[in-house]
Amino acid sequence: QKEVEQDPGPLSVPEGAIVSLNCTYSNSAFQYFMWYRQYSRKGPELLMYTYSSGNKEDGRFTAQVDKSSKYISLFIRDSQPSDSATYLCAPLRHGSSNTGKLIFGQGTTLQVKP
Amino acid sequence: NAGVTQTPKFQVLKTGQSMTLQCAQDMNHNSMYWYRQDPGMGLRLIYYSASEGTTDKGEVPNGYNVSRLNKREFSLRLESAAPSQTSVYFCASSGGERGTYEQYFGPGTRLTVT
Repeated sequence: QKEVEQDPGPLSVPEGAIVSLNCTYSNSAFQYFMWYRQYSRKGPELLMYTYSSGNKEDGRFTAQVDKSSKYISLFIRDSQPSDSATYLCAPLRHGSSNTGKLIFGQGTTLQVKP
Repeated sequence: NAGVTQTPKFQVLKTGQSMTLQCAQDMNHNSMYWYRQDPGMGLRLIYYSASEGTTDKGEVPNGYNVSRLNKREFSLRLESAAPSQTSVYFCASSGGERGTYEQYFGPGTRLTVT
């Protein structure tokens, strides 16, 4: 079983829809939970992250972590065609010397149709 | 601020050839990382360097070597390339003023081994 599971999609929605992207994980020691966005043939770009359980909002994006069920979500409100990309969840495993190892999910490909 | 830069952008190698992928960051980050990204596998950590002068293995280190040349630069070497090393390689860095764990990625190197 992979440490982080993410449905690869693709997920296709109409412009303006609310999008829900989800991951599950198995390691209860994870404390930081990152979301990256990756456009085609580009490097991953950090969208936002949360620490421990709870919600964090940044504009149209909301990240949510439920540590009791080991479930991570990213919500996108009023989705735009420019949101079309692959979204990667990445819990972080603490290492020594303040280094953290990101454990990436497979990524979910999102297409927002005008 | 260029962020994280990688060279080359593309490379084609024959089986058994060697090459070095270069990475540099101008964010004064302490930690640097090399990942590979394959379809259906997500991003996997090859090697990382928590600080200048140290390197450690990640999830998939076999067939690779790294050098942390100085605080800015972290190179990845393939001594004898194999078709299984066909992938997209990303360098990342973390550990600056904005936060220790946020990793910032370069644009990637697309490598094909024939």
